[in-house]
Amino acid sequence: KAGVTQTPRYLIKTRGQQVTLSCSPISGHRSVSWYQQTPGQGLQFLFEYFSETQRNKGNFPGRFSGRQFSNSRSEMNVSTLELGDSALYLCASSLDGRSYGYTFGSGTRLTVV
Amino acid sequence: DQQVKQNSPSLSVQEGRISILNCDYTNSMFDYFLWYKKYPAEGPTFLISISSIKDKNEDGRFTVFLNKSAKHLSLHIVPSQPGDSAVYFCAASRIGSGDKLTFGTGTRLAVRP
Repeated sequence: KAGVTQTPRYLIKTRGQQVTLSCSPISGHRSVSWYQQTPGQGLQFLFEYFSETQRNKGNFPGRFSGRQFSNSRSEMNVSTLELGDSALYLCASSLDGRSYGYTFGSGTRLTVV
Repeated sequence: DQQVKQNSPSLSVQEGRISILNCDYTNSMFDYFLWYKKYPAEGPTFLISISSIKDKNEDGRFTVFLNKSAKHLSLHIVPSQPGDSAVYFCAASRIGSGDKLTFGTGTRLAVRP
């Protein structure tokens, strides 16, 4: 079966711009979570969506937002980009919201210049 | 506040020997622990997990040990193989908290032929 698909794989944006990242979960998975990976910080939880509802949120500023569509695909948006937002953004899907059922995508590498 | 810590950023081991990766946590509410392996340009892949009601879980060459009193877990890989060279993340969750994992910062394992 197809895995978790994240698009685009790479992105370069300028400070102050906004960006939208996309995540298509494994077919049948209803939960999508987003993580930010930066050197020295590991993976940090952004938010989780389950059946189109945000169920859990990490400690990120309001510039980071997301949504989930009825087909479980999810998008993440970052507005007013800062240099510190440069990171690998990973999404993970699971069938029923159990963290041990995660499958990660390959990520979107965002570079802010 | 880093609730999950991997204090060794890197580890080098000879092929065929044991690799021991360590992880400490501070939040006593965590009750489920996972190890993920990550190759460059790929998302993390699930390796092995352990519930807080156990102190050991084994899967082939991989064994995870949990010491709840010390809030410490370790991943043993025996025997180590060059293909095991990757970054290893430990993660923790609290059952009932939804799809939210708290990750450590990772340990880069290099297995020398």
